[in-house]
Amino acid sequence: TQLLEQSPQFLSIQEGENLTVYCNSSSVFSSLQWYRQEPGEGPVLLVTVVTGGEVKKLKRLTFQFGDARKDSSLHITAAQPGDTGLYLCAGAVAGGSNYKLTFGKGTLLTVNP
Amino acid sequence: NAGVMQNPRHLVRRRGQEARLRCSPMKGHSHVYWYRQLPEEGLKFMVYLQKENIIDESGMPKERFSAEFPKEGPSILRIQQVVRGDSAAYFCASSPRGTGYGYTFGSGTRLTVV
Repeated sequence: TQLLEQSPQFLSIQEGENLTVYCNSSSVFSSLQWYRQEPGEGPVLLVTVVTGGEVKKLKRLTFQFGDARKDSSLHITAAQPGDTGLYLCAGAVAGGSNYKLTFGKGTLLTVNP
Repeated sequence: NAGVMQNPRHLVRRRGQEARLRCSPMKGHSHVYWYRQLPEEGLKFMVYLQKENIIDESGMPKERFSAEFPKEGPSILRIQQVVRGDSAAYFCASSPRGTGYGYTFGSGTRLTVV
C-alpha cells in the first residue's frame, strides 16, 4: 500500500493550459514537499509546506497543504514545455522520524508546444 | 562544490561483484541520506548518516548492503555480491540539519546488474 497516492499518474497537455495534480494520504504529515525530477537527474525541491491550509506560490505554481495535513495539491497556470517532468510529493509522517521522507510515485507531466 | 556530487553516474556490475557508490554532500551539510528508486516505484529511504555515525539504517536490507560517512571523504554505499534485483537508481541527499524540510539531491548513480 502506497502511503502517498499521487494522481493522475500521467498527464499530457498543450502549452498554455492549466492543470492540477494531487497528493493524498490517510496519514497526517508534519511537513510535505514537492519535487520535480527530470530524466536522468535527481529530484529538485520546489517547495515545503508545514502548516495545515498553507498556500505557497512560486511564479506560475501554486501549492496547497490540506487543512488536516493529509493531502496537497499543485496547480500550474499556463503550462510551458519547460514544466515537463515528474512531479513528486514527499512528506515526513507526523510522530515519526522527521528526517525520513515518504515519496509518492509521482505524476509524469508532458507539456506539448 | 555547487551541489551534491555522486559518482559514478552509471555503474554496470556482473552478478556477484561489489558496487561502491560515492556521495559528497553540499558544503556545510553534515547530514546525508541515501534513497533507492526502483522502476515503477517511488523513492524509498535507505539510510541516514552523519559524520562517522549511522543514525538510521532501517530502510537498508540487512544483508549485503552497508553505508558509511567517514570523518574525511565522501559517504559510501556499498553493495556486496550484487543481484539483478539491485538494479536501480540510487540517490544521495544532504541537508544542513537532520530534518526533512529541505533535501538537496544528487544526480544519482544508475546501477545495472548483468
